[in-house]
Amino acid sequence: QKEVEQNSGPLSVPEGAIASLNCTYSDRGSQSFFWYRQYSGKSPELIMFIYSNGDKEDGRFTAQLNKASQYVSLLIRDSQPSDSATYLCAVKTPGGSYIPTFGRGTSLIVHP
Amino acid sequence: EAQVTQNPRYLITVTGKKLTVTCSQNMNHEYMSWYRQDPGLGLRQIYYSMNVEVTDKGDVPEGYKVSRKEKRNFPLILESPSPNQTSLYFCASSLSFLGGPTEAFFGQGTRLTVV
Repeated sequence: QKEVEQNSGPLSVPEGAIASLNCTYSDRGSQSFFWYRQYSGKSPELIMFIYSNGDKEDGRFTAQLNKASQYVSLLIRDSQPSDSATYLCAVKTPGGSYIPTFGRGTSLIVHP
Repeated sequence: EAQVTQNPRYLITVTGKKLTVTCSQNMNHEYMSWYRQDPGLGLRQIYYSMNVEVTDKGDVPEGYKVSRKEKRNFPLILESPSPNQTSLYFCASSLSFLGGPTEAFFGQGTRLTVV
């Protein structure tokens, strides 16, 4: 059973701080990793994807992947109250079915 | 505007009454899928389709059917809904599913209540 684990939170950070969200996965063969943001009552929105070890930056967001340790993280710099949402980690393994496995999400609260 | 459109957004129905939730995308995506989202359980895939006439089961297919007769449409059918199918449902689509983004676009969601 493939598992993707996230701390449910809530993670509370002050405005302007760095928010660090973590995700671990059980299938060592996983190769594609995705972060989605979901506001309450809304649909998930893809914000980052990463395939290679290391860091990938996009604006205030940085995804970090460490396949040896089987974790992927999302850093949000200069956090804003509008970043308050649930962040979902998703993992896909190549071959066979194309079913991505989602974590249950981490709730982030950015307070002014 | 690129989008995935689901209908209806909200639905209350009774046990056993067949219903269909429609999903349509205007991006010419090959890959489409259906999820349900339940508190504490996260997003779970019901069915997915890699192209027209090609569908396959996800993690929780029991009680659901799908069809993919056209590239843009991927309806979800509940032949005999039961209360345990009360959930928030999302349709999603993606242009690339190998080496590219997973479900890059989600529909607005359908909140289904079965009484």
